Formats: sequence, structure tokens, C-alpha cells
Amino acid sequence: AQSVSQHNHHVILSEAASLELGCNYSYGGTVNLFWYVQYPGQHLQLLLKYFSGDPLVKGIKGFEAEFIKSKFSFNLRKPSVQWSDTAEYFCAVNAGRTGGFKTIFGAGTRLFVKA
Amino acid sequence: GAGVSQSPSNKVTEKGKDVELRCDPISGHTALYWYRQSLGQGLEFLIYFQGNSAPDKSGLPSDRFSAERTGGSVSTLTIQRTQQEDSAVYLCASSSRGGTNNEQFFGPGTRLTVL
Repeated sequence: AQSVSQHNHHVILSEAASLELGCNYSYGGTVNLFWYVQYPGQHLQLLLKYFSGDPLVKGIKGFEAEFIKSKFSFNLRKPSVQWSDTAEYFCAVNAGRTGGFKTIFGAGTRLFVKA
Repeated sequence: GAGVSQSPSNKVTEKGKDVELRCDPISGHTALYWYRQSLGQGLEFLIYFQGNSAPDKSGLPSDRFSAERTGGSVSTLTIQRTQQEDSAVYLCASSSRGGTNNEQFFGPGTRLTVL
């Protein structure tokens, strides 16, 4: 069964620091990959997604993620975080028909950015 | 409506009681998902509806959990004989198609507390 691992449950950074949140998935076939974000008091929303093409995907608010197939990874990055990036970040994978079209989420990473 | 809505927003119940949670997806969205979000557990997939196909119930944790979707729109998640471990935030999401790379739009969730 497909699974998603997020390596850090809590991350604390100062403003302007660089961010990288790790995400690994277990499924070996074709996958579609997502990062969702949940800001305090708000709904989960899509940050970015990969389904084909350029493995470096750019999303909203300066975030990007790189799909490395050989490492089964889809790490999220941002060169310089802001206080407003404080949120919980979820990595997700969908393996299509083979996975029953279910989207499986990781446990989430809580990011706190100090002003 | 403009987004996915869920009701009630909060539900406190006594152990052993039945509860019903409602989800109104975005109009026209054919795919609907239920997830459970517990502290430190990420988003746990529960059930997935796509159009008129049989739902994928593989994530339901026990036979006390059931869900239905009437007329391809509104969905109700029912938990019978609630237990304290059922306490969590129950999230509903919808997407325009059931395909693998479609963005899911999440509702605000129902926070269930079982005393």
C-alpha cells in the first residue's frame, strides 16, 4: 500500500531562513504528488502539485518542490521564509487507478517562523 | 455555495451515542472524500465517492463508520456507538473529477469530541 512519510513533525525557523521539508513516498509506480498547507484557522489548501513534466514545480507564495523519482522524494523548499508561512504542511500522493485513486497524506509538519 | 461546507462545526457527544456529520461539496464536483485528522496523525483517508461508482470504503476504521452520498451531492458520515478514540476533526473534500491530479478543495471540518 502506498504511504507518505514526512520527516519533521515540528520545525522552527527565523524569518529569512531557508526551508526544506522532507517527503518520501513508498509507491514505486507512476504517482501524482501534492503539497497542501493549512494556515492557522483556515482550510487546507493546495500549495503545489506534480503530475508530469519538469520535476521542479513552483507553487504559490514562493514555494517550490522537486520530484526525485530515484529517491521517491518530493521535498518542499522556500529560499527565505516569512512569519506568514507559519502553518502546517502536508505532503500527499495519489497513485491513480493502481492505488484506487485515493490520495494519501503524510502526518504533516508544523512550521513556526519567528519574527 | 462557493466552497465546501460542513456541519456541524463542533459536535460534543457522549460515548455510545450515534453522530451524523454532513458535507456539502462544491456544486458540480463529482468526487468527494472524507478524512479524519487527529493530532500528530496527519490526514487519515476514510472513504471516497466518485460519480455513480461504488465508493471506496477501504479507509473506514470499523463497521461503526458508514457514509452515503445522496444524489451525487451531499454526503453524510455516520458514526455509531461513538468511542473516545473517535474524537478528531473530520474533513470533507471535493474535486471536479476523480482523476489523480485534481486539486481537492477542503471544508472547514467538524470537530468531534466524545466524552
